[in-house]
Amino acid sequence: EIVMTQSPVTLSISPGQSAALSCRASQGVSGNLAWYQQKPGQAPRLLISGASARATGIPARFSGGGSGTEFTLTISSLQSEDFGVYYCQQYNNWPITFGQGTRLEIK
Amino acid sequence: EVQLLESGGGLVQPGGSLRLSCAASGFNFSSYGMSWVRHVLGKGLEWVSTISDRGSSTNYADSVRGRFIISRDNSKSTLYLHMDDMNAEDAATYYCVKGGEPWLALFDSWGQGALLTVSS
Repeated sequence: EIVMTQSPVTLSISPGQSAALSCRASQGVSGNLAWYQQKPGQAPRLLISGASARATGIPARFSGGGSGTEFTLTISSLQSEDFGVYYCQQYNNWPITFGQGTRLEIK
Repeated sequence: EVQLLESGGGLVQPGGSLRLSCAASGFNFSSYGMSWVRHVLGKGLEWVSTISDRGSSTNYADSVRGRFIISRDNSKSTLYLHMDDMNAEDAATYYCVKGGEPWLALFDSWGQGALLTVSS
């Protein structure tokens, strides 16, 4: 099983600033890495697939990067609606695995 | 617009059984893999199971293999999850999820979830 490790656990950032969320895979996932946002009481929403491709309707302030085992989700010019928990997920190997999540709090 | 509507959640006793259903619309259901992903309140997301577009291939998390069965009826655009021998660790919100193309387990659309409680 590929273990996905996210850091930090919690991030508190002021509106207008940028946030960088990290995700590390225990083995290479060939770029088959996705990021999801989940707000309280809501279903998760796909943000990024293929490590760097924004999903339909996702604002350009969300960007993904990385390869192999190290990946980053960057949110530039944070807005108040960007709060929530962010998960990375590898879909390269069975079983499918998620990171434990990074909670983004807006100051 | 993709719509996924789960039903069948509720309260079940330990050791009991339950079937979740997911009615899909807004896309060609028979062309996409489908999955179930669960979320325990206060914890993270856990992939449960995936079925291929025609239902010929299935995959399960170790935590549910042998107890849960995923299936689909493409004529009804409906996904199912039959759960047996349930325990407290199965209590969660279960999401019906549409797969991407060509990756079955790229989860591009999610239902609103069905809450499952396991308690005596």
